[in-house]
Amino acid sequence: DAKTTQPPSMDCAEGRAANLPCNHSTISGNEYVYWYRQIHSQGPQYIIHGLKNNETNEMASLIITEDRKSSTLILPHATLRDTAVYYCILPPRGNNDMRFGAGTRLTVKP
Amino acid sequence: KAGVTQTPRYLIKTRGQQVTLSCSPISGHRSVSWYQQTPGQGLQFLFEYFSETQRNKGNFPGRFSGRQFSNSRSEMNVSTLELGDSALYLCASSLSWTGANTEAFFGQGTRLTVV
Repeated sequence: DAKTTQPPSMDCAEGRAANLPCNHSTISGNEYVYWYRQIHSQGPQYIIHGLKNNETNEMASLIITEDRKSSTLILPHATLRDTAVYYCILPPRGNNDMRFGAGTRLTVKP
Repeated sequence: KAGVTQTPRYLIKTRGQQVTLSCSPISGHRSVSWYQQTPGQGLQFLFEYFSETQRNKGNFPGRFSGRQFSNSRSEMNVSTLELGDSALYLCASSLSWTGANTEAFFGQGTRLTVV
């Protein structure tokens, strides 16, 4: 299974950009990188996904390195409501399932 | 467009009983996956159904089972409940099966407490 590595926790000041890194060195050429987040006791929420070009939507930006071995999720102006666990995921291969690691617990502080 | 609906939201059962949880995916979505989340183990995959067929199954005992109906709604059943089955059970729906590069949308979950 392709795996991702994320720091267990990060802090960010309210109003500042939150940059969440993810390493995915085993990614294959046609695999997308997906980001989800889970606010306490709620279901995970899809944020964004990308293949090799940088992506932006109303929630976040995704920067993928040229070799595709790592990516960074950027929340441009973090708010207290962005406090959550953020998961970086590669889609399952073949008949494997979508597996969530431990993610990064982001705490936005006032 | 309605999101993923899971019922019930909360449930309390006693050891040895069985329970059935329901998930209604987003309209048009044909894949439903189930996850168990506990504080110690995080999100763990139970099984995935696509077009009424189980595509994949996680490492859970046979007490955990599921099915999907022709309208894509899915149920999961846990028999002979144990205290360790207390968890948040999450359902995710997607247009296609999860290996097909498609995002998944999760419900709010059912919190099961076994006493």
